[in-house]
Amino acid sequence: AQSVAQPEDQVNVAEGNPLTVKCTYSVSGNPYLFWYVQYPNRGLQFLLKYITGDNLVKGSYGFEAEFNKSQTSFHLKKPSALVSDSALYFCAVRDGSNYQLIWGAGTKLIIKP
Amino acid sequence: DADVTQTPRNRITKTGKRIMLECSQTKGHDRMYWYRQDPGLGLRLIYYSFDVKDINKGEISDGYSVSRQAQAKFSLSLESAIPNQTALYFCATSESTGAGRYTFGSGTRLTVV
Repeated sequence: AQSVAQPEDQVNVAEGNPLTVKCTYSVSGNPYLFWYVQYPNRGLQFLLKYITGDNLVKGSYGFEAEFNKSQTSFHLKKPSALVSDSALYFCAVRDGSNYQLIWGAGTKLIIKP
Repeated sequence: DADVTQTPRNRITKTGKRIMLECSQTKGHDRMYWYRQDPGLGLRLIYYSFDVKDINKGEISDGYSVSRQAQAKFSLSLESAIPNQTALYFCATSESTGAGRYTFGSGTRLTVV
C-alpha cells in the first residue's frame, strides 16, 4: 500500500540554524513527491516537487528537498531558518499511474528567535 | 481575488442538520477535490472530480455527497451532520496533467454540536 510517513510531529530550530523536516514514502513505481506548507488559518501552499532528474530540488522561500531512492526519503531542508518559516509542513506522494496524492500527517516546524 | 474560494469560512451547525460547503475556482482547472483535515491525521480525501461528469469517492466518503455544478464549482454536502464531522475542510484544484501541484482554498472550519 502507498504511504507517507513524517516521523516527527514537531521540529524545533533556532533562527539562523539549518532545518530538516523528514519524510519517507512507500509507493509502487516511480514516485512523484511534494512538499506543501500551511500557515495558520490558511490553505496549503505548494513548496516544491520531485518527478525526475536532479535529486536536489529547489523550491519556494529558500527551501530545498533531497530525493534519496535507496532510503525512500524526501527530506525538506533549509540552510538558515527564519521565524517566519514556522508553519505546518506536509509531505505527499503520488504514484506515477495514480492521480491521488497520499499525504503525511504533517510536521509542525517552530523556529525560535 | 483568491484562485480557490470556499464559503463559508466558519460554520457551527447542529447534529442532524444538512449543510453545504461551497467551492469555486478561477484557475480553469478540470480537477477538483474535497479534503478533510484533522489534527495528527493529515489530509484525507472525501471526493474528487476530474470533470463535470466525473465524480469519484475518496477514502472517507461516507456521510458526504458532492455536486459538480460547473467546471468552476464543486460543493460538498453533509446530509445529516454528526459531531465527528467537526473538522477543517479544504477544496483544491489541479491541472489535468495530474502533475500534482494543487491549489487550495483557505478552508472551512465546521463545528457540529
